[in-house]
Amino acid sequence: QKEVEQDPGPLSVPEGAIVSLNCTYSNSAFQYFMWYRQYSRKGPELLMYTYSSGNKEDGRFTAQVDKSSKYISLFIRDSQPSDSATYLCAMTPTSGTYKYIFGTGTRLKVLA
Amino acid sequence: NAGVTQTPKFRVLKTGQSMTLLCAQDMNHEYMYWYRQDPGMGLRLIHYSVGEGTTAKGEVPDGYNVSRLKKQNFLLGLESAAPSQTSVYFCASISGRTLETQYFGPGTRLLVL
Repeated sequence: QKEVEQDPGPLSVPEGAIVSLNCTYSNSAFQYFMWYRQYSRKGPELLMYTYSSGNKEDGRFTAQVDKSSKYISLFIRDSQPSDSATYLCAMTPTSGTYKYIFGTGTRLKVLA
Repeated sequence: NAGVTQTPKFRVLKTGQSMTLLCAQDMNHEYMYWYRQDPGMGLRLIHYSVGEGTTAKGEVPDGYNVSRLKKQNFLLGLESAAPSQTSVYFCASISGRTLETQYFGPGTRLLVL
């Protein structure tokens, strides 16, 4: 069983929809949780990260961590066609060596 | 992919050939990483470095070697390429002071025949 599980999709939504992307994990030691966006044939770019439990908001993006359920989410409000990409979650026990464990990524298509 | 470059962008190798992938960053970052990305597998860490002259093994190090002789460069070597090493390779760097300052390179697509 993988340490981090992520539904590969693809997830297709109409423009303007609220998107929910999720990851589950098995290692209770994970403390830092990251979300990346990766456009086709490009490198990943960090969207946001959270430490421990709680929510973090940045514009149209909200990251949520539920450590009791070992479940993290990324919400995208008012989704745009430009949000079409693969979204990767990653996590690590500490910030020391930044050795992240990545999910496989969820491919999102926002239809105009 | 500001600040992190990878050379080459694409390469075709025959089984048994060797090659070196170069990652360069101009942000004075301490930490550098090599990942491979395969369909259905996500990003997997091959080797990483926490500073000039230091390297360490990641999740899938077999068949690869690395060197970090200069702080700005992180080299990934394949001594004897195998078809299983066909993948997209990404380099990343992190400043070490804050999680926000992390960047990935544009990737190197490698095909081993």
